[in-house]
Amino acid sequence: GQNIDQPTEMTATEGAIVQINCTYQTSGFNGLFWYQQHAGEAPTFLSYNVLDGLEEKGRFSSFLSRSKGYSYLLLKELQMKDSASYLCAVLAGAGSYQLTFGKGTKLSVIP
Amino acid sequence: EADIYQTPRYLVIGTGKKITLECSQTMGHDKMYWYQQDPGMELHLIHYSYGVNSTEKGDLSSESTVSRIRTEHFPLTLESARPSHTSQYLCASSEYQGRQETQYFGPGTRLLVL
Repeated sequence: GQNIDQPTEMTATEGAIVQINCTYQTSGFNGLFWYQQHAGEAPTFLSYNVLDGLEEKGRFSSFLSRSKGYSYLLLKELQMKDSASYLCAVLAGAGSYQLTFGKGTKLSVIP
Repeated sequence: EADIYQTPRYLVIGTGKKITLECSQTMGHDKMYWYQQDPGMELHLIHYSYGVNSTEKGDLSSESTVSRIRTEHFPLTLESARPSHTSQYLCASSEYQGRQETQYFGPGTRLLVL
């Protein structure tokens, strides 16, 4: 089966840096996604990692270590609008296009 | 920005009614998905389709059914709605580009069954 773990909640200060971790145990691996979901809205795509290393996109970066089954999402220069849930999702299984989602990390950015 | 649409956005309906949640995308994506998400909980895949006339059940057991007669359209039907069906239903579509298969989500339908 598939198992994805991430912290339930985090709080950080506006302007700071926050790292949201995700660990996974899956049968097969075809890539890891991070999505942002504001309350009551649909998830929006943030990043994709399939090779080890860091992918940077503006204020957001995502890191992957396949040998450790580990990823993190790094948010820099936090803004109030970054308050949202951040979902880690894994594409697993040979030929699979199905995403397995973690429960999400609810990030609260405070002044 | 992805062009994927869902209607209705909100639906309140009585027990026993038949309902169809609409999902359409204008990107020509072959793969489409339906997820169910309760407030504060993870998304669960309930149906998916790899193309026209292809439909499969997902990880979460669901009493709903789907059809895929046209590439752009993937409706979800509940023959007899029950209060346990109250949830948010999210439709998504995806296309493989380069090494990446990214799913894009519609705005969702919030369903309340009384």
